[in-house]
Amino acid sequence: QVQLQESGPGLVKPSQTLSLTCAVSGDSISSGGYSWSWIRQPPGKGLEWIGYIYHSGGSAYYNPSLRSRVTLSVDRSKNQISLSVNSVTAADTAVYYCTRLSNGVFDPWGQGTLVTVSS
Amino acid sequence: QSALTQPASVSGSPGQSITISCTGTSSDVGGYDYVSWFQQYPGKVPKLVIFDVNNRPSGVSYRFSGSKSGNTASLTISGLQTEDEADYYCYSYTSSSTYVFGSGTKVTVL
Repeated sequence: QVQLQESGPGLVKPSQTLSLTCAVSGDSISSGGYSWSWIRQPPGKGLEWIGYIYHSGGSAYYNPSLRSRVTLSVDRSKNQISLSVNSVTAADTAVYYCTRLSNGVFDPWGQGTLVTVSS
Repeated sequence: QSALTQPASVSGSPGQSITISCTGTSSDVGGYDYVSWFQQYPGKVPKLVIFDVNNRPSGVSYRFSGSKSGNTASLTISGLQTEDEADYYCYSYTSSSTYVFGSGTKVTVL
């Protein structure tokens, strides 16, 4: 049974870069032809899809509203996915989730990690 | 891309049926059957309750059902129970190979 665990700094200063990793256990990122995605949820607000990347790391698709600031990557040697968001503001404060994407279905999800943008 | 439109809140009494709508465009909801629904309790990870418009994952109550007509998808909860009180989100695949979530609906059991 695949499990995902997000990790990274809980506090990031405005204008800096937010970097998170998602460790995948129970399956290899390279197997199964899955894609891997990040979704976030600001406190008290709704879900926002950030982007997804193919297991090969060859192609990635991003939310148009975030595309200029977001990068996803795959590290197959570590079996993990990474998210980078640059030039962050308070609006990027959210719980960030990583999830597996298969045939249009986001499942399973990690437990999520709260990132606060504040000086 | 704009968020899919959901009613902010829906309520019902125990035992009743409620329906939550999720309205998009022909470039997302209307164009693909990759429409899914999540249930989320406060502070918890979203749980998939419907995928591909009308399919229930294993372990999800039969009381949850989904449908789609044109650019609007719907989630129906029949035999409403207190445990169904939660937030519900739809999402859809889009013609840009991206995904878009709905604005979310708070379900209250009266």
